[in-house]
Amino acid sequence: DAGVIQSPRHEVTEMGQEVTLRCKPISGHNSLFWYRQTMMRGLELLIYFNNNVPIDDSGMPEDRFSAKMPNASFSTLKIQPSEPRDSAVYFCASSLRTGSLGYTFGSGTRLTVV
Amino acid sequence: RKEVEQDPGPFNVPEGATVAFNCTYSNSASQSFFWYRQDCRKEPKLLMSVYSSGNEDGRFTAQLNRASQYISLLIRDSKLSDSATYLCVVHTGGFKTIFGAGTRLFVKA
Repeated sequence: DAGVIQSPRHEVTEMGQEVTLRCKPISGHNSLFWYRQTMMRGLELLIYFNNNVPIDDSGMPEDRFSAKMPNASFSTLKIQPSEPRDSAVYFCASSLRTGSLGYTFGSGTRLTVV
Repeated sequence: RKEVEQDPGPFNVPEGATVAFNCTYSNSASQSFFWYRQDCRKEPKLLMSVYSSGNEDGRFTAQLNRASQYISLLIRDSKLSDSATYLCVVHTGGFKTIFGAGTRLFVKA
């Protein structure tokens, strides 16, 4: 099992540019979660999907953030336009049965917006 | 009041020591409980689930006290490799999982 796969591992971009983060969940997991982690705010849940359907996006900070899950094996988180305050580590996690059995996290994307 | 609260530490302990972390949660309807470990610049990883009867995995023991709404993690015979941040995690049902801010542990030689 390859685990949750995220790409890219690191992204440095200029303010105003579009950023797309990618995630491949563990095969068979039906729930997918996008988190953001900073020193100041810790782990913040941005959005989660169940069976490819967005269930709750109330954690998405602004309209500049959007997420999609076109199929069971792929999800994207897009920031357009990016701002320096978006700099953080973005984690994708997947789970069976809504997370009641725990999550498996990907290794994260470290985003720096300059 | 935060839904899940942890002492941020840091806890500085010598190798071989026993150290315990506590975590409190506010939602009495919470259903599942976990401890995760996060190493510096890495992703959180599931350490162990926590059950009312208590559970043990090698040097690690987790306990749940539903009446007082807290969970604990005990690490015996601490190793240098135990140095990490330990996250208390509570699943309240549906899709809602709350992560604590974490407790930092440093084990020194």
